[in-house]
Amino acid sequence: SQKIEQNSEALNIQEGKTATLTCNYTNYSPAYLQWYRQDPGRGPVFLLLIRENEKEKRKERLKVTFDTTLKQSLFHITASQPADSATYLCALDTGRRALTFGSGTRLQVQP
Amino acid sequence: GAGVSQSPSNKVTEKGKDVELRCDPISGHTALYWYRQSLGQGLEFLIYFQGNSAPDKSGLPSDRFSAERTGGSVSTLTIQRTQQEDSAVYLCASSSEGGNNEQFFGPGTRLTVL
Repeated sequence: SQKIEQNSEALNIQEGKTATLTCNYTNYSPAYLQWYRQDPGRGPVFLLLIRENEKEKRKERLKVTFDTTLKQSLFHITASQPADSATYLCALDTGRRALTFGSGTRLQVQP
Repeated sequence: GAGVSQSPSNKVTEKGKDVELRCDPISGHTALYWYRQSLGQGLEFLIYFQGNSAPDKSGLPSDRFSAERTGGSVSTLTIQRTQQEDSAVYLCASSSEGGNNEQFFGPGTRLTVL
Protein backbone atom coordinates (compact mmCIF):
# COMPACT_ATOMS: atom_id res chain seq x y z
CA SER A 1 0.00 0.00 0.00
CA GLN A 2 1.05 3.61 -0.44
CA LYS A 3 2.42 5.23 2.67
CA ILE A 4 4.02 8.46 3.81
CA GLU A 5 5.81 8.28 7.14
CA GLN A 6 6.91 11.08 9.37
CA ASN A 7 8.24 10.60 12.86
CA SER A 8 5.15 10.76 15.02
CA GLU A 9 7.18 11.51 18.12
CA ALA A 10 7.81 15.14 18.93
CA LEU A 11 11.27 16.48 18.23
CA ASN A 12 12.70 18.58 21.06
CA ILE A 13 15.81 20.64 20.44
CA GLN A 14 17.63 23.58 21.96
CA GLU A 15 17.44 27.04 20.47
CA GLY A 16 20.24 27.65 17.99
CA LYS A 17 20.59 23.99 16.99
CA THR A 18 19.61 22.51 13.63
CA ALA A 19 16.35 20.60 13.52
CA THR A 20 16.12 17.75 11.02
CA LEU A 21 12.77 16.19 10.17
CA THR A 22 12.32 13.10 8.02
CA CYS A 23 9.69 12.14 5.48
CA ASN A 24 9.77 8.63 4.01
CA TYR A 25 7.41 7.29 1.41
CA THR A 26 6.73 3.98 -0.29
CA ASN A 27 5.09 3.03 -3.56
CA TYR A 28 4.96 6.57 -4.89
CA SER A 29 6.87 8.26 -7.68
CA PRO A 30 6.04 11.87 -6.90
CA ALA A 31 6.78 14.64 -9.33
CA TYR A 32 7.49 16.87 -6.36
CA LEU A 33 7.31 17.07 -2.63
CA GLN A 34 6.15 19.96 -0.46
CA TRP A 35 6.65 20.91 3.17
CA TYR A 36 4.06 22.80 5.20
CA ARG A 37 4.00 24.27 8.68
CA GLN A 38 0.88 23.97 10.84
CA ASP A 39 0.28 25.83 14.08
CA PRO A 40 -2.45 24.71 16.53
CA GLY A 41 -5.92 25.70 15.38
CA ARG A 42 -4.73 26.89 11.98
CA GLY A 43 -4.49 25.55 8.47
CA PRO A 44 -1.14 24.46 7.03
CA VAL A 45 1.13 27.10 5.49
CA PHE A 46 3.32 26.29 2.49
CA LEU A 47 7.07 26.48 3.09
CA LEU A 48 9.04 24.80 0.31
CA LEU A 49 8.65 22.64 -2.76
CA ILE A 50 11.31 20.39 -4.25
CA ARG A 51 11.04 18.63 -7.60
CA GLU A 52 12.09 15.08 -8.38
CA ASN A 53 15.09 16.26 -10.40
CA GLU A 54 16.33 18.53 -7.60
CA LYS A 55 18.55 17.28 -4.81
CA GLU A 56 18.34 20.29 -2.53
CA LYS A 57 16.37 23.50 -2.09
CA ARG A 58 17.04 26.35 0.33
CA LYS A 59 15.01 29.26 1.63
CA GLU A 60 16.48 31.43 4.37
CA ARG A 61 17.08 29.10 7.34
CA LEU A 62 15.25 26.20 5.70
CA LYS A 63 16.76 23.44 3.60
CA VAL A 64 15.04 20.49 1.97
CA THR A 65 16.67 17.49 0.34
CA PHE A 66 14.96 14.90 -1.85
CA ASP A 67 16.40 11.46 -2.52
CA THR A 68 14.15 9.60 -4.96
CA THR A 69 16.29 6.46 -4.66
CA LEU A 70 15.88 6.29 -0.89
CA LYS A 71 12.34 7.70 -1.22
CA GLN A 72 13.12 10.20 1.47
CA SER A 73 13.07 13.93 2.07
CA LEU A 74 14.87 15.69 4.90
CA PHE A 75 13.76 19.08 6.17
CA HIS A 76 16.31 21.16 8.07
CA ILE A 77 15.85 24.33 10.11
CA THR A 78 19.17 25.91 11.00
CA ALA A 79 19.69 28.27 13.94
CA SER A 80 16.31 27.18 15.28
CA GLN A 81 14.20 29.56 17.33
CA PRO A 82 11.30 28.98 19.75
CA ALA A 83 9.05 30.59 17.09
CA ASP A 84 9.85 27.61 14.84
CA SER A 85 7.89 25.36 17.21
CA ALA A 86 5.02 23.88 15.20
CA THR A 87 3.98 20.72 13.36
CA TYR A 88 5.65 20.19 10.01
CA LEU A 89 3.88 18.21 7.30
CA CYS A 90 5.33 16.73 4.15
CA ALA A 91 3.06 16.28 1.17
CA LEU A 92 3.45 14.48 -2.13
CA ASP A 93 1.97 15.27 -5.48
CA THR A 94 1.15 11.84 -6.84
CA GLY A 95 -0.07 13.15 -10.15
CA ARG A 96 -3.59 14.21 -9.38
CA ARG A 97 -3.00 17.72 -7.98
CA ALA A 98 -4.59 16.92 -4.63
CA LEU A 99 -1.75 16.34 -2.21
CA THR A 100 -1.15 13.27 -0.09
CA PHE A 101 0.02 14.33 3.38
CA GLY A 102 2.05 12.68 6.09
CA SER A 103 0.76 12.86 9.64
CA GLY A 104 3.35 15.48 10.60
CA THR A 105 6.12 15.85 13.14
CA ARG A 106 5.78 18.25 16.05
CA LEU A 107 8.89 20.34 16.65
CA GLN A 108 9.50 22.00 20.00
CA VAL A 109 12.42 24.43 20.25
CA GLN A 110 13.45 25.11 23.81
CA PRO A 111 14.81 28.56 24.68
CA GLY B 1 -5.22 40.32 -0.36
CA ALA B 2 -7.70 38.12 1.44
CA GLY B 3 -6.82 34.51 2.03
CA VAL B 4 -9.04 31.47 2.04
CA SER B 5 -11.94 31.84 4.43
CA GLN B 6 -14.16 29.15 5.90
CA SER B 7 -17.35 29.23 7.87
CA PRO B 8 -18.41 28.40 10.43
CA SER B 9 -15.20 28.11 12.43
CA ASN B 10 -16.88 25.66 14.78
CA LYS B 11 -19.94 23.50 14.35
CA VAL B 12 -21.52 21.24 16.94
CA THR B 13 -24.32 19.03 15.73
CA GLU B 14 -26.27 16.00 16.79
CA LYS B 15 -25.83 12.63 15.21
CA GLY B 16 -28.12 12.23 12.21
CA LYS B 17 -28.32 15.92 11.34
CA ASP B 18 -27.07 17.41 8.09
CA VAL B 19 -24.34 20.07 8.05
CA GLU B 20 -23.01 22.48 5.44
CA LEU B 21 -19.50 23.87 5.51
CA ARG B 22 -18.51 26.82 3.36
CA CYS B 23 -15.25 27.79 1.70
CA ASP B 24 -14.34 31.05 -0.03
CA PRO B 25 -11.12 30.53 -1.99
CA ILE B 26 -8.60 33.16 -2.98
CA SER B 27 -9.96 35.22 -5.85
CA GLY B 28 -8.69 33.95 -9.18
CA HIS B 29 -7.67 30.53 -7.92
CA THR B 30 -9.14 27.91 -10.22
CA ALA B 31 -8.42 24.88 -8.05
CA LEU B 32 -10.20 24.17 -4.76
CA TYR B 33 -9.62 21.27 -2.41
CA TRP B 34 -11.33 19.86 0.66
CA TYR B 35 -9.36 17.88 3.22
CA ARG B 36 -10.25 16.39 6.58
CA GLN B 37 -7.93 16.26 9.57
CA SER B 38 -8.70 14.08 12.55
CA LEU B 39 -7.02 14.72 15.89
CA GLY B 40 -3.27 14.15 15.62
CA GLN B 41 -3.54 12.92 12.07
CA GLY B 42 -2.44 14.17 8.70
CA LEU B 43 -4.76 15.61 6.12
CA GLU B 44 -7.07 13.26 4.29
CA PHE B 45 -8.06 14.32 0.77
CA LEU B 46 -11.80 14.51 0.14
CA ILE B 47 -12.56 16.27 -3.14
CA TYR B 48 -10.90 18.53 -5.72
CA PHE B 49 -12.41 21.05 -8.15
CA GLN B 50 -10.50 22.43 -11.12
CA GLY B 51 -12.20 25.08 -13.22
CA ASN B 52 -15.18 23.70 -15.11
CA SER B 53 -13.89 20.12 -15.11
CA ALA B 54 -15.71 17.33 -13.34
CA PRO B 55 -14.54 17.22 -9.72
CA ASP B 56 -12.27 14.47 -8.41
CA LYS B 57 -14.45 12.87 -5.75
CA SER B 58 -12.21 9.90 -5.14
CA GLY B 59 -11.52 10.84 -1.50
CA LEU B 60 -15.10 11.14 -0.29
CA PRO B 61 -15.52 8.49 2.42
CA SER B 62 -19.19 7.73 1.79
CA ASP B 63 -22.22 8.87 -0.19
CA ARG B 64 -23.24 10.99 2.80
CA PHE B 65 -20.56 13.44 1.71
CA SER B 66 -21.01 15.76 -1.26
CA ALA B 67 -19.64 19.08 -2.39
CA GLU B 68 -20.36 21.67 -4.99
CA ARG B 69 -18.65 24.73 -6.29
CA THR B 70 -20.83 27.46 -7.65
CA GLY B 71 -19.64 29.90 -10.28
CA GLY B 72 -16.10 28.60 -10.01
CA SER B 73 -15.67 30.26 -6.64
CA VAL B 74 -17.41 29.45 -3.36
CA SER B 75 -17.70 25.80 -2.39
CA THR B 76 -19.99 24.01 0.04
CA LEU B 77 -19.26 20.64 1.59
CA THR B 78 -22.38 18.87 2.79
CA ILE B 79 -22.44 15.95 5.19
CA GLN B 80 -25.79 14.22 5.51
CA ARG B 81 -26.91 12.15 8.49
CA THR B 82 -23.74 12.95 10.42
CA GLN B 83 -22.03 10.27 12.45
CA GLN B 84 -19.65 10.66 15.39
CA GLU B 85 -16.75 9.50 13.24
CA ASP B 86 -17.31 12.56 11.04
CA SER B 87 -15.96 14.72 13.86
CA ALA B 88 -12.79 16.37 12.56
CA VAL B 89 -11.40 19.64 11.25
CA TYR B 90 -12.43 20.22 7.65
CA LEU B 91 -9.88 22.25 5.72
CA CYS B 92 -10.31 23.97 2.41
CA ALA B 93 -7.44 25.03 0.17
CA SER B 94 -7.10 26.75 -3.17
CA SER B 95 -4.33 27.08 -5.72
CA SER B 96 -3.75 28.78 -9.03
CA GLU B 97 -3.72 26.89 -12.31
CA GLY B 98 -0.40 25.37 -13.28
CA GLY B 99 2.63 26.44 -11.32
CA ASN B 100 3.86 24.58 -8.29
CA ASN B 101 0.46 23.64 -6.87
CA GLU B 102 1.32 25.57 -3.72
CA GLN B 103 -1.91 25.28 -1.76
CA PHE B 104 -3.29 28.05 0.41
CA PHE B 105 -5.36 26.77 3.30
CA GLY B 106 -8.20 28.28 5.22
CA PRO B 107 -8.39 28.08 9.03
CA GLY B 108 -10.73 25.10 8.91
CA THR B 109 -14.09 24.24 10.38
CA ARG B 110 -14.03 22.12 13.52
CA LEU B 111 -17.01 19.76 13.37
CA THR B 112 -18.15 17.95 16.48
CA VAL B 113 -20.90 15.36 16.18
CA LEU B 114 -22.46 14.48 19.50
